[in-house]
Amino acid sequence: AQSVTQLDSQVPVFEEAPVELRCNYSSSVSVYLFWYVQYPNQGLQLLLKYLSGSTLVKGINGFEAEFNKSQTSFHLRKPSVHISDTAEYFCAVHKGTDKLIFGTGTRLQVFP
Amino acid sequence: DAGVIQSPRHEVTEMGQEVTLRCKPISGHNSLFWYRQTMMRGLELLIYFNNNVPIDDSGMPEDRFSAKMPNASFSTLKIQPSEPRDSAVYFCASSSSGAEAFFGQGTRLTVV
Repeated sequence: AQSVTQLDSQVPVFEEAPVELRCNYSSSVSVYLFWYVQYPNQGLQLLLKYLSGSTLVKGINGFEAEFNKSQTSFHLRKPSVHISDTAEYFCAVHKGTDKLIFGTGTRLQVFP
Repeated sequence: DAGVIQSPRHEVTEMGQEVTLRCKPISGHNSLFWYRQTMMRGLELLIYFNNNVPIDDSGMPEDRFSAKMPNASFSTLKIQPSEPRDSAVYFCASSSSGAEAFFGQGTRLTVV
């Protein structure tokens, strides 16, 4: 079975500081990994994805994530956050045409 | 493409009434997902379809919930009878095999 663990439910950070949102997954087979962002009262929007190839994936809004197979992690990072990055971030995993499983989400709160 | 279209955006209904949520996936996508989001339980997968066939409905909370996908361009999620604890935001998402899921804006359901 596949599952996704987001270790931090909330991450407070000051503007222009770096941030890392953690995600670990469990699966016995190769998976596809995703990070989504949800702004208030909106649907989920794809930030970035890892399907294969380079383990460092760059996404929109200056975010990037690194796939680490040995640690079964896919942490999301941004070197300098903005107020507008305040949102809920979801890590997700699926295998091919299988169902997409989401983590419980991490609320990123950026303070001025 | 207009993206995944859900209707209605908001629904307020009385306990015991039937509620029908609608979704039009992105043209050409062969997988469709229904999710429910609440503060307490986060983002839960209710059911997903592949090529219009229900593949996994293990997330459907009880028999009051049913979902159909009569063709590749339309799906419904029905709750009959509705209860206050069904109040949540319901998201529909679609994807092509192995690719990311695209989400609709959601339907905010309030059962009073």
